[in-house]
Amino acid sequence: AQSVTQLDSQVPVFEEAPVELRCNYSSSVSVYLFWYVQYPNQGLQLLLKYLSGSTLVKGINGFEAEFNKSQTSFHLRKPSVHISDTAEYFCAVSEKGGYQKVTFGIGTKLQVIP
Amino acid sequence: DTAVSQTPKYLVTQMGNDKSIKCEQNLGHDTMYWYKQDSKKFLKIMFSYNNKELIINETVPNRFSPKSPDKAHLNLHINSLELGDSAVYFCASSQLVAVQETQYFGPGTRLLVL
Repeated sequence: AQSVTQLDSQVPVFEEAPVELRCNYSSSVSVYLFWYVQYPNQGLQLLLKYLSGSTLVKGINGFEAEFNKSQTSFHLRKPSVHISDTAEYFCAVSEKGGYQKVTFGIGTKLQVIP
Repeated sequence: DTAVSQTPKYLVTQMGNDKSIKCEQNLGHDTMYWYKQDSKKFLKIMFSYNNKELIINETVPNRFSPKSPDKAHLNLHINSLELGDSAVYFCASSQLVAVQETQYFGPGTRLLVL
């Protein structure tokens, strides 16, 4: 069975500083990986996803993530954060083949400090 | 136009009551989902429908009954509400049922059972 671990429940960072949100996954088969963002009182929105090919994936709002198969990681990064990036970030995994069943991590709250 | 909409946005009710949450998507997608997000922000899939057919049914009490009158709508009926049902319920849709598809989330329905 697939699983996702987000190592940090909260990450405070100053505005314009870089940030990395960590995500590790576990699966016995090949996977697809996703990062979703949830702004306060809203639904989730896709930031980026890794399906195949280049291990560096670029998403919306200046975010990028790197798939590392040997370390089973998919960390999310942004070189310079803005106040508007304050939100909850969810890493998710789904196993290739079969019907879509996405497993979400518990989320990391990014708090950008002015 | 809202892509995935849910009604109501907030729902406060007494234990033992029966309530319904409605979801509609205007994206022309084939697949719709219901998720439950608990107080710790953990997001877990409950049901998935593809073209009105149930394809994922996680371990959910049979007090929860989804209904899909057409592929643009997926409603959730809950009988005999319990305190533990208090959560935010998200509806989502994807174009296809394939595992790599992006999911589009509604704004959520905040259910509080007293």
